[in-house]
Amino acid sequence: GESVGLHLPTLSVQEGDNSIINCAYSNSASDYFIWYKQESGKGPQFIIDIRSNMDKRQGQRVTVLLNKTVKHLSLQIAATQPGDSAVYFCVESHTGNQFYFGTGTSLTVIP
Amino acid sequence: DTEVTQTPKHLVMGMTNKKSLKCEQHMGHRAMYWYKQKAKKPPELMFVYSYEKLSINESVPSRFSPECPNSSLLNLHLHALQPEDSALYLCASSQRPSSYEQYFGPGTRLTVT
Repeated sequence: GESVGLHLPTLSVQEGDNSIINCAYSNSASDYFIWYKQESGKGPQFIIDIRSNMDKRQGQRVTVLLNKTVKHLSLQIAATQPGDSAVYFCVESHTGNQFYFGTGTSLTVIP
Repeated sequence: DTEVTQTPKHLVMGMTNKKSLKCEQHMGHRAMYWYKQKAKKPPELMFVYSYEKLSINESVPSRFSPECPNSSLLNLHLHALQPEDSALYLCASSQRPSSYEQYFGPGTRLTVT
């Protein structure tokens, strides 16, 4: 498989603060990146995605940034809430046939 | 209905048993996936079905046998498993094989004794 790693395995933030979750990938041919959120006891849930020809994409309270020069991806969560506590995975894909999950970052929101 | 369902939620089986995991979706999705997830690890892709045909097998041992009887149903048949096969087995579906957004079920927690 491909190497999709995260810089920080755990992250704790105060409620209301912004969170930044980072991800490094190694396959420069990957053309699509996705962020998933997995809450305890549940399957992963799609958050946001970005194509390799973009460098930024915004959703509701979330922004994904892609830096292809250094093969780095980040997920920014604005005004983090207790319900955001989960493990976050970045996923890289090439042609949409295979999907490689990163190691995951556990986000804990402190009330 | 935007849900992927999986049964059973939990399964305990011996190494000589034969069991099956079931996954169902009614979103009209034409790609379905099996993943294996060990504790505190990311999901690992096992199989991909595209239009009810097996398109990707990620070198999974033959003791795992997938089956896609129709476009809504995906099974994973288990036989002669090992204790190290204990894990959460996740099913997912996507609209088309080239779609990047996958919808995951809650998983089946499998324990092999």
